[in-house]
Amino acid sequence: EDKVVQSPLSLVVHEGDTVTLNCSYEVTNFRSLLWYKQEKKAPTFLFMLTSSGIEKKSGRLSSILDKKELFSILNITATQTGDSAVYLCAVEASDTGTASKLTFGTGTRLQVTL
Amino acid sequence: GAGVSQSPSNKVTEKGKDVELRCDPISGHTALYWYRQSLGQGLEFLIYFQGNSAPDKSGLPSDRFSAERTGGSVSTLTIQRTQQEDSAVYLCASSLGRTYNSPLHFGNGTRLTVT
Repeated sequence: EDKVVQSPLSLVVHEGDTVTLNCSYEVTNFRSLLWYKQEKKAPTFLFMLTSSGIEKKSGRLSSILDKKELFSILNITATQTGDSAVYLCAVEASDTGTASKLTFGTGTRLQVTL
Repeated sequence: GAGVSQSPSNKVTEKGKDVELRCDPISGHTALYWYRQSLGQGLEFLIYFQGNSAPDKSGLPSDRFSAERTGGSVSTLTIQRTQQEDSAVYLCASSLGRTYNSPLHFGNGTRLTVT
């Protein structure tokens, strides 16, 4: 059974701090790892990672994948209160060559305080 | 519209009643997914449709749950004889499907409360 574990479960930081969120996985036929941000409703897509060692960056957020050690990290620098959300990690696995279902972790709840 | 649309946004029903939840995916997206998110839990996969292929129903928790996708577009998730443990947010997502680098785009979900 595919498994995705995120840590920490929750985190409280002060505005301006840098945070690192972790995601480890055990899947058969790995295809990609995705990060989503969930505030009140729909998870919104952040990054999709398929290759080891290539950092993806969007503003203050960045992420990298290690397919040998089976983990990914999501970094947020200079955090703002608007970064407060649940960050979800998901892994796509497929042996058919087509898109398949994602297995999600339970998320890391980040709270950024003033 | 530009995004995945779900209706209703909230549904309160009595135990034992049937409910239908609707999802309208992004135009052109061939893959459609239903997930369930219980309070404080991660997203639990329910069912996946890809084009005209037989759906992957491996995540449906019981035979009270079923889903259809008509015309390769709109999908309906039906829960029969609802139970209190069915209370959750039901999220629909769509993607380009067979395109390799295609993330899921989620709707705002339907919050189901079974009393």
